[in-house]
Order: sequence, then structure tokens, then C-alpha cells
Amino acid sequence: IAGITQAPTSQILAAGRRMTLRCTQDMRHNAMYWYRQDLGLGLRLIHYSNTAGTTGKGEVPDGYSVSRANTDDFPLTLASAVPSQTSVYFCASRAHGTTEAFFGQGTRLTVV
Amino acid sequence: AQSVTQPDIHITVSEGASLELRCNYSYGATPYLFWYVQSPGQGLQLLLKYFSGDTLVQGIKGFEAEFKRSQSSFNLRKPSVHWSDAAEYFCAVGGRGSTLGRLYFGRGTQLTVWP
Repeated sequence: IAGITQAPTSQILAAGRRMTLRCTQDMRHNAMYWYRQDLGLGLRLIHYSNTAGTTGKGEVPDGYSVSRANTDDFPLTLASAVPSQTSVYFCASRAHGTTEAFFGQGTRLTVV
Repeated sequence: AQSVTQPDIHITVSEGASLELRCNYSYGATPYLFWYVQSPGQGLQLLLKYFSGDTLVQGIKGFEAEFKRSQSSFNLRKPSVHWSDAAEYFCAVGGRGSTLGRLYFGRGTQLTVWP
């Protein structure tokens, strides 16, 4: 089934540890996004990539990094996790020239 | 600065009743406007979107929304709510051109439907 796959589904992580959240899409979409969802705040954009090889910062990029080596994959890395990064993380993708973003099922991350 | 306000955190309606979820936005240029729905433990699904033209847009599941430029609003409506509509609803605004696809979301409105 075509779509966006995020892994892991959930994770408990010790503060200070490094963590990479994976996102893979098989729709050949050019643009990809990472959002975090926090209660009462909605979703906020962390980083984005308009096409393979390029990335940009969103609203809340601090503490996160991304890479876009190819069209399909857009991993999000927390170099040294802190409790304030406890959140649900959503990856999304969008085809070139369209406006609709398709979202993955999310990764629930708890930093303790 | 871009922002989206959903003033209602939680709304409860009876099945069969009408529904209106409010959304106001602030954006420096003419935005794209979206409503997404999120069921528990799920990702977001697009209900409808507005780009230009007719200010009343129809979406999936019987939802519609009306864009009112003078009020900077994009309220979501449904004439008769079903129990399966219980979910969280997010209004979002996005830019055009080089910022296309980068969305700003409201904090969400949780909808509870009584049988």
C-alpha cells in the first residue's frame, strides 16, 4: 500500500541519547516535512525538504537535524534528547505542484 | 507573523445536530487554507482546502467550509453530525510559491458526539 511509513511507532528514550526517527514514502513526492504535535499547541513544523538534497528550517528546528539523501527517505535526528522533545512526531509528504500533504501515522517519543 | 486560532478547544454535539468549528488566521499574503481531521492514534486526513474562487468549498464526509476574507475566517460546517465524526479537527494555513506546503496549524478542536 502506497503511503508514508514512520518508525518506530513509539519509543522511550533516556535524556542525552541520540535518536533517529525514520520516514519513508513510496509516492515519489518531492517535498517532505517533519512536524511535532503537542497538546494544546497543534502541529508545528520542525524541518522541511522541497526536494532531494535540500532541507530547510521550520518553526521549531532547535535540537533537531534532517537529511534528504534521496527522494524516499527523510530521517529526523535528535542529537542529544531532552525531556521537552517528548512529543508525537509526524512526517508528511507532498507532490510537486500540489498543495495536499499526506501524513504518516506518527511516532510517539517520550524522553525521560 | 503567521498564526491560526481555533477558539474552541472542545465541542460536544448530539448526533444529528449541526456543527460549526471556528478558525481565524493571520497571514501576510493570500494563503491556502485547510481543514484536517485526526482520529485517535492516527495521522491527519485532509477534509477540504481553499485556494481561490468560490468561497464555499465542499469536502469529504459531508463537510464544507466558507472562506471570509474580511473576517480572516475559514469555519468548518456540517449540517448533521454522525457519531463517526468524533475526532480532533485542525485548521491550517499555508503559503504559496517558495513556501508552498509549509503549514501553520491551529491548536485543534476536539469534537465529542453524543448518541
